Amino acid sequence: QKEVEQNSGPLSVPEGAIASLNCTYSDRGSQSFFWYRQYSGKSPELIMSIYSNGDKEDGRFTAQLNKASQYVSLLIRDSQPSDSATYLCAVNSYQAGTALIFGKGTTLSVSS
Amino acid sequence: NAGVTQTPKFQVLKTGQSMTLQCAQDMNHNSMYWYRQDPGMGLRLIYYSASEGTTDKGEVPNGYNVSRLNKREFSLRLESAAPSQTSVYFCASSDPDVKTQYFGPGTRLLVL
Repeated sequence: QKEVEQNSGPLSVPEGAIASLNCTYSDRGSQSFFWYRQYSGKSPELIMSIYSNGDKEDGRFTAQLNKASQYVSLLIRDSQPSDSATYLCAVNSYQAGTALIFGKGTTLSVSS
Repeated sequence: NAGVTQTPKFQVLKTGQSMTLQCAQDMNHNSMYWYRQDPGMGLRLIYYSASEGTTDKGEVPNGYNVSRLNKREFSLRLESAAPSQTSVYFCASSDPDVKTQYFGPGTRLLVL
């Protein structure tokens, strides 16, 4: 059973701080990695994708991938109260075609 | 573009009743997916369709059937609803070359 693990949280940070979210995965053959944000009562929305080792930056968000350690992380700089949500890590599974395996999510709370 | 649409938004069923959840996408994606999301369980794949005319089981297919009606539409049917099927159901679609999945707004199902 391929797995994606995340700390459920809640992760609490003050406004303006850096929030660090972590994810590990079990399938060494995984090639594509995604971070989704989900507000309460809403559907997941993609915020970052990363395919190769290293860092990828998009505005206040940075995704980091280390395939040797089977680890992917998301950093949110200058955290805002509007960033308060559940963040889902997702990894592709070749066993299910193009389907993704999702972690259970980390709840982030940013206090003003 | 409407993206991914789902109907209905909310449904209450009695045990043993049947219903079909509808999903449509206007992004010309080949692949479509059905997930369920339960508290503490994350998103779990029920069925997916890699392309028109094909369907495959995911992690939790028991009690469900699917139909890929055409490239745009992918429906999920509950033949005899059970309280354990109370959940939020999300449909998603993706282009297999990109693998990014886009989600519909979800259907909240309550089985009494």
